[in-house]
Parts: sequence; structure tokens; C-alpha cells
Amino acid sequence: SQTIHQWPATLVQPVGSPLSLECTVEGTSNPNLYWYRQAAGRGLQLLFYSVGIGQISSEVPQNLSASRPQDRQFILSSKKLLLSDSGFYLCALEQQGRVVGQPQHFGDGTRLSIL
Amino acid sequence: AQSVTQLDSHVSVSEGTPVLLRCNYSSSYSPSLFWYVQHPNKGLQLLLKYTSAATLVKGINGFEAEFKKSETSFHLTKPSAHMSDAAEYFCVVRLNTGGFKTIFGAGTRLFVKA
Repeated sequence: SQTIHQWPATLVQPVGSPLSLECTVEGTSNPNLYWYRQAAGRGLQLLFYSVGIGQISSEVPQNLSASRPQDRQFILSSKKLLLSDSGFYLCALEQQGRVVGQPQHFGDGTRLSIL
Repeated sequence: AQSVTQLDSHVSVSEGTPVLLRCNYSSSYSPSLFWYVQHPNKGLQLLLKYTSAATLVKGINGFEAEFKKSETSFHLTKPSAHMSDAAEYFCVVRLNTGGFKTIFGAGTRLFVKA
């Protein structure tokens, strides 16, 4: 079965510092991968999605970026963190292809606090 | 335009009583519908999904949901709440056309009182 690994589970960073969050998946090939953010008390905001290696689509303009260097690796980065970047970051996958009823599956997330 | 509305931001029930979490959707196309649960500091876990087969869908942990096209609703129910059901629940729509976009509801926080 497919699994999603995210690390670290929690992270405390100062304003202006860089960021790298990693998501790796197992048990599937060529998945679509997603980065979401949940701010405190709010729903999910789609940040980036990728349909393949090197293919990144950005949903929200911001100081974050994403990369997909390998089929099963999805990285979220920032050169300089802002206070507003605090939140719970979730990686999700869905099977490749436009299949009816395709659910997304989520990792356990990274709690990012900016000080 | 496609949208998902969870009608209650918070629901409070007593342990052993029924749970009803309401969800309405708007879609020009026949969508797939999902319910997810999120416990604190955890990812979203799939509870159940509707994909145009049976309109009454059974999921994990005793939850079920009924798709009502005439009411554009997909409400989540459970006959008897357990303390471990306290969590946030998300109703999700996936459009089965075009870009196959996934739309998340804002979430409903379920509180279960002893």
C-alpha cells in the first residue's frame, strides 16, 4: 500500500531563515503530488502540485517554492520565511491519471512555527 | 462555479448520541464526493467516498453518508458518537472532468461530551 513520509514533524524557525520540507512516497509510481497549508483555524490551501518530475504548478503567489527532483520526492522550500508562513503543511498524493473517484491520500504533516 | 459548503463550523454531541455533519455542494458536472477526518496534528484520513454507485456509502469507524442529488447534499452520519470521534471533518468534491480539480470544504469541528 502507498505511504507518505513527511519530515520533520515539527519545526521552529526564525523569521528570515530558509526552509526545506521533504515529502517522500512509497508504494506507487508516477503519482500526482500536492502541498497544502493549514493556517490556525482555517481550511486547506493548495500551494503547489506536480504531475511529474520537474513539473510544478503554483496555485498561490508567495515566497515559497516547490521542486520534484525524483518521482517520489516533493520538496517545499523558502529562501526567507515570513511570520505568515506559520502553519501545518501537508503533502498529499493521488494516483496518476484522470480516474473517476480518485481520492487524495495525506501524510501526517509538518507543524511550522515562525518566531 | 464549483463549491463545497459545510453548514456547521462546530458540532457538539454527547457520547452515544447520533452525529450529523452537513455538506452541500455545487457542481455543473457529476462529481465524486469524499469525507475526511483530521485528528490534531495529523493528516487527513479518508472516511468514505461516493463515485456514482450506491447513493448510501458506508465508511470506516461506523460512519456513512448519503448522496442526494436533488438536494445537492452529502451529509455524514454516525448512529452513536464515541469520544474518539472528536476531530475535524472535511467534505471534499472532486470534479470528474476538465482539470479534475479537488475542492475542500472549510471543515466542521466535532466535539463529543462524556
